[in-house]
Amino acid sequence: GAGVSQSPRYKVAKRGQDVALRCDPISGHVSLFWYQQALGQGPEFLTYFQNEAQLDKSGLPSDRFFAERPEGSVSTLKIQRTQQEDSAVYLCASSSTTGGEEKLFFGSGTQLSVL
Amino acid sequence: DAKTTQPNSMESNEEEPVHLPCNHSTISGTDYIHWYRQLPSQGPEYVIHGLTSNVNNRMASLAIAEDRKSSTLILHRATLRDAAVYYCILRDGNAGNMLTFGGGTRLMVKP
Repeated sequence: GAGVSQSPRYKVAKRGQDVALRCDPISGHVSLFWYQQALGQGPEFLTYFQNEAQLDKSGLPSDRFFAERPEGSVSTLKIQRTQQEDSAVYLCASSSTTGGEEKLFFGSGTQLSVL
Repeated sequence: DAKTTQPNSMESNEEEPVHLPCNHSTISGTDYIHWYRQLPSQGPEYVIHGLTSNVNNRMASLAIAEDRKSSTLILHRATLRDAAVYYCILRDGNAGNMLTFGGGTRLMVKP
């Protein structure tokens, strides 16, 4: 497809379960970002990849959160031992270059509900 | 990224122009002004960006104050599909392209 694709669209997990969220960026895009958006709030930065290198993971809230992009294209955000406070929409975005002027393209997100 | 201040919400009538303000008094010389909007159940969508001069595209216009401490996003004729949260974001042109979102302005459009 032409846009950023995220799967699954919805995920329900029991507290303590591990989850994996997938992001397919636009083909050829160098930069990839993960954001977390709580209900009624703006998106919060989690982590940033430039190709396969994770250059910034300062926004990951705990060591239960892990992201990877091993071949510089598809990325996976993994959350171990999920907690109720992890319930949020997880957004992925990509851009073609690394410049500050460049626009980001966002997916529709994965809505995670932890029961 | 420097901080921006936007009203929490605004209302507009359909087919009328909408002016969405944004204050960014601590903007630096290398900061670009970006606007994104987020429709319900969607990810944010790029609207427009600028550095110093006013900008126009098919979606909107961006008016930047001469001192760059404020800007205004202009939707020339609001439609019901423009109802969304609009985010004004400053992004350092020298420091990579992560976006730091604030709370945004929720625009409601009345028929």
